[in-house]
Amino acid sequence: QSALTQPPSASGSPGQSVTISCTGTSSDVGGYNYVSWYQQHPGKAPKLLIYDVSKRPSGVPDRFSGSKSGDTASLTVSGLQAEDEADYYCSSYAGSNDVVFGGGTKLTVL
Amino acid sequence: QLQLQESGPGLVKPSETLSLTCTVSGGSISSSSYNWGWIRQPPGKGLEWIGSMYYSGSTYYNPSLKSRVTISVDTSKNQFSLKLSSVTAADTAVYYCARHVGYNWNYLDYWGQGTLVTVSS
Repeated sequence: QSALTQPPSASGSPGQSVTISCTGTSSDVGGYNYVSWYQQHPGKAPKLLIYDVSKRPSGVPDRFSGSKSGDTASLTVSGLQAEDEADYYCSSYAGSNDVVFGGGTKLTVL
Repeated sequence: QLQLQESGPGLVKPSETLSLTCTVSGGSISSSSYNWGWIRQPPGKGLEWIGSMYYSGSTYYNPSLKSRVTISVDTSKNQFSLKLSSVTAADTAVYYCARHVGYNWNYLDYWGQGTLVTVSS
């Protein structure tokens, strides 16, 4: 079980779009459509943003979207806002009742 | 609105057993639709799945922690618990409990606020 690979940091100006990648293998991201994304502000619990690759829970703005191609999943934040500055984590089912997280990406709104 | 709250000692000595409880309110822990899990986050680091439990009581653990972890449920109190044995400083982390949705552990939709556990003599 290895952590999924995310870039340590990403940034964008207000109103712009930014995409965060999450690379795994055919045993996790590439093998199942069970990728989820979480937003975490400092000192707070993670919040579910995207599940099953591209589905948004009720209450999550449609500025947040998810996709997957092969072994890489992506989270796109459109129309960046100051409150989007946070850490973002991806997660995937990895088979055999195993779950793996990415190392996290710190998003800075310039 | 479903709420989860972790509780337990904030300080554990090396080689001892870490014990935490998650109290669920606003819903039944026995619901056949949901499962329950534990996740941890060392200071300044990323999230790590510890293990999860199906509503049926079956448990599954992170392979790297499997030999030291036990998750159990007390339906009469609407609580589930985590025990991690033989702890070391590497087990110092914020521990979260969460609702784990889906037969394939699809996602975690409700989280507790987290509790910091420090392993130190």
